[in-house]
Amino acid sequence: DAKTTQPPSMDCAEGRAANLPCNHSTISGNEYVYWYRQIHSQGPQYIIHGLKNNETNEMASLIITEDRKSSTLILPHATLRDTAVYYCIVRGTYKYIFGTGTRLKVLA
Amino acid sequence: EAGVAQSPRYKIIEKRQSVAFWCNPISGHATLYWYQQILGQGPKLLIQFQNNGVVDDSQLPKDRFSAERLKGVDSTLKIQPAKLEDSAVYLCASSLERYSGNTIYFGEGSWLTVV
Repeated sequence: DAKTTQPPSMDCAEGRAANLPCNHSTISGNEYVYWYRQIHSQGPQYIIHGLKNNETNEMASLIITEDRKSSTLILPHATLRDTAVYYCIVRGTYKYIFGTGTRLKVLA
Repeated sequence: EAGVAQSPRYKIIEKRQSVAFWCNPISGHATLYWYQQILGQGPKLLIQFQNNGVVDDSQLPKDRFSAERLKGVDSTLKIQPAKLEDSAVYLCASSLERYSGNTIYFGEGSWLTVV
């Protein structure tokens, strides 16, 4: 299964866009990129996923590079409630493998 | 739509005791997963069921952990006997099917402390 690399932590000012990068250079053609976040004491919450094209939903946007070796999750207007650990996962062979994620702190 | 339900939410036991966690997946979801999450780490897959059959249990410590999904719906994860290093959050998750385009949804988790 493909592995992902994320920065361990990031800060973002409240109201600004938060851009969380993820490298997945060994991704295979049929593997999707998924993003989850986990707020302390809760289970991981699904945010968004994509295969090749950029995706947008009510929570975030996902930008996948043309070679699919990296992606960026964009939270357009970060709030204090977006403070969490964000996991980028490549879904292959029917299961997820989680890394250690990026701890995003949104600052007032 | 109801999410993945888990119980109990919190459990404290002494080492060498046993514990069981219950999970009810989202209605209609054929695939069920149990993950272990140790503090400060990402979740680690323990076992995956497709309906009532085991698809992957390569990371399950079978000398002390067991899981079943008898009727292809609810599932139970048991630890016997528990060790201190089993202190973790046990997350149940489900998806419609196993394939990579199907989103996995997680429950809130069952927090286990072994003393």
